[in-house]
Amino acid sequence: SQTIHQWPATLVQPVGSPLSLECTVEGTSNPNLYWYRQAAGRGLQLLFYSVGIGQISSEVPQNLSASRPQDRQFILSSKKLLLSDSGFYLCAWRVGVGPQHFGDGTRLSIL
Amino acid sequence: DQQVKQNSPSLSVQEGRISILNCDYTNSMFDYFLWYKKYPAEGPTFLISISSIKDKNEDGRFTVFLNKSAKHLSLHIVPSQPGDSAVYFCAARSFYGQNFVFGPGTRLSVLP
Repeated sequence: SQTIHQWPATLVQPVGSPLSLECTVEGTSNPNLYWYRQAAGRGLQLLFYSVGIGQISSEVPQNLSASRPQDRQFILSSKKLLLSDSGFYLCAWRVGVGPQHFGDGTRLSIL
Repeated sequence: DQQVKQNSPSLSVQEGRISILNCDYTNSMFDYFLWYKKYPAEGPTFLISISSIKDKNEDGRFTVFLNKSAKHLSLHIVPSQPGDSAVYFCAARSFYGQNFVFGPGTRLSVLP
């Protein structure tokens, strides 16, 4: 069966520091991969999606970037975090035309 | 411009009664709809879906209804249980679309 792992579960970072969040999927090949952010009291905002290795599409201009170095690995990064980057970050995968399946998320707090 | 709207931020229902969560969309190209349930500090869990060729889909206590002419769908939970207390997200996608568009969510509280 397919599983998705995100880490870390929680992270507290100072403003201006770098960021790297990692997501891996097991039990499937060539998934579409997604990064979402849920700000406090808000819905899910799609940040990036990838349909294959090295292929990244950005949905909104922002301080973050994404990379897909391997088929089942998706990384969310920033060189310098802003206060507005605080939120709950979710990775998701999908194969075919079915629903997306989400990881348990990373709670990012910027101080 | 919000393409998927959930106009009720919260809903409280007595245990054993029916919960009805509503979702409206504006894009007539959407043809596949899903409901997700989310507990605090966890990722959303897929609940039930419906494609535009149907107007109803049922899975146990959960039923989704789609009214294409009104661009409206609803999730019915019968009977509601305290464990159903969570945030429910509606999502939609068009046939040619790569991605889902999510609504802002409705927080359901089922009172014992």
